[in-house]
Amino acid sequence: EVQLVQSGAEVKKAGESLRIPCQTSGYSFTTYWIGWVRQMPGKGLEWIAIIYPDDSDTRYSPSFQGQVTVSVDKSISTAYLQWSSLKASDTAIYYCARAYKSGRGFQHWGRGTLVIVSS
Amino acid sequence: QAVVTQEPSLTVSPGGTVTLTCGSNTGPVTSGHYPYWFQQKPGQAPTTLIYDTTNKQSWTPARFSGSLLGDKAALTLSGAQPEDEGEYYCLLAFSGTRVFGGGTKLTVL
Repeated sequence: EVQLVQSGAEVKKAGESLRIPCQTSGYSFTTYWIGWVRQMPGKGLEWIAIIYPDDSDTRYSPSFQGQVTVSVDKSISTAYLQWSSLKASDTAIYYCARAYKSGRGFQHWGRGTLVIVSS
Repeated sequence: QAVVTQEPSLTVSPGGTVTLTCGSNTGPVTSGHYPYWFQQKPGQAPTTLIYDTTNKQSWTPARFSGSLLGDKAALTLSGAQPEDEGEYYCLLAFSGTRVFGGGTKLTVL
């Protein structure tokens, strides 16, 4: 069974750094693209980026390029989304999701990590 | 970046049929955009209903179907059930990135 496990919540202050994990199991981690999606409070889904764990090939949405960094640790089948300096506007739920083999869309979703950034 | 458009809200009667659409400001939506459809209920993560325009996930109820309708991608719900209430999002592929639509809030009433 494919599983993507995310931490529940993170509370940080503006200017702090943060890295949130997405621990996967139940499939070959290195051969499926994995991505990140933002959902701000009361708003819709926004596609952030995807990464191919085998070679760390990464594609970012222009809206998020330079704002966040995605990475993986193949040894523990975990993907990460990180910020170097959080802003209050980063407050949102962040979902990780595993793509189909084609890499085009998302098939399996994590439950999301709520990131709260206070100013 | 492309803008993907969906109806903000739709209402369907129990047992009725409704079609949600997904358009793009870059031109007609085609199979080359590999349209995806997701359902999200309040307080829950999204779930995938349709991939690559028409294909269903193993867990997708038979009453949902995907297609291209004119210049848009479409999700048709035939025989709506109360549990189908929620938000529905489409996702289109553009070169190396993907863009979500703004979502359609579906009410079964």
